[in-house]
Amino acid sequence: AQRVTQPEKLLSVFKGAPVELKCNYSYSGSPELFWYVQYSRQRLQLLLRHISRESIKGFTADLNKGETSFHLKKPFAQEEDSAMYYCALSGRPDYKLSFGAGTTVTVRA
Amino acid sequence: ETGVTQSPTHLIKTRGQQVTLRCSSQSGHNTVSWYQQALGQGPQFIFQYYREEENGRGNFPPRFSGLQFPNYSSELNVNALELDDSALYLCASSLPGGVTGELFFGEGSRLTVL
Repeated sequence: AQRVTQPEKLLSVFKGAPVELKCNYSYSGSPELFWYVQYSRQRLQLLLRHISRESIKGFTADLNKGETSFHLKKPFAQEEDSAMYYCALSGRPDYKLSFGAGTTVTVRA
Repeated sequence: ETGVTQSPTHLIKTRGQQVTLRCSSQSGHNTVSWYQQALGQGPQFIFQYYREEENGRGNFPPRFSGLQFPNYSSELNVNALELDDSALYLCASSLPGGVTGELFFGEGSRLTVL
C-alpha cells in the first residue's frame, strides 16, 4: 500500500521568510515523488518531481529514503506562493498518483 | 494546445440516481485518469484508461465505471448515488504511457448528492 502524509493543514509565513512543507510517505518499492500546486482559481498543476532534481519558482525538494520524506522548501517566500500544495507518490510501473491531504500556504506581506 | 476540459462543472443529483461526467483530454494525450476529491482531502485515484482499456483501479466500488473513446475522451459513470459521493471529480490526462508522471488536470466537476 502507498500512503502520503502531510502533517500541516495550514502554514502561514511572512514574505521573505523561509518556508518548508513536510511530506512523509510509505511505499514498499521505489517510489517517484511529486509536488503539485493549486493557485487560487487555477487548476491543479505539477510543481516539481524528485527525479528532475530541479528548482522551480525557487522551490526545491529532496527525497530522503531513510526518513521516507520529501519536504518542499523555499528560502524566501513570496506572496505569489500562497496556494494549496499537495505531495504525491507514484509507484512503478503504473504512475497512478496517491496524494496527501494538502497544505494551504499563506504568505503575509 | 487545448487543455483538459470537463463537463458539467456543477451538478446536483439525488440519492439513488446515476450520473455521467465527461472529460476531453489534452491534445496528444492517450492516458486519462479520474480522481475524487472530497472536501478538505487530496484527490483519490478512481481509475485510469489507456488506449480505451482500464489500466488500474483504486479502492472504489463497481458502481463507479468508466469509458475511454477512440479520440481519448472519457466518461465517468456513477450508479446508485450515495450522499458520500458528493465531491469534486477531477480528470487528468498524461503523455503516452504516463512516462513523465506529470498529470494535466481539468477544473473538475462538482457533484452534490442530496
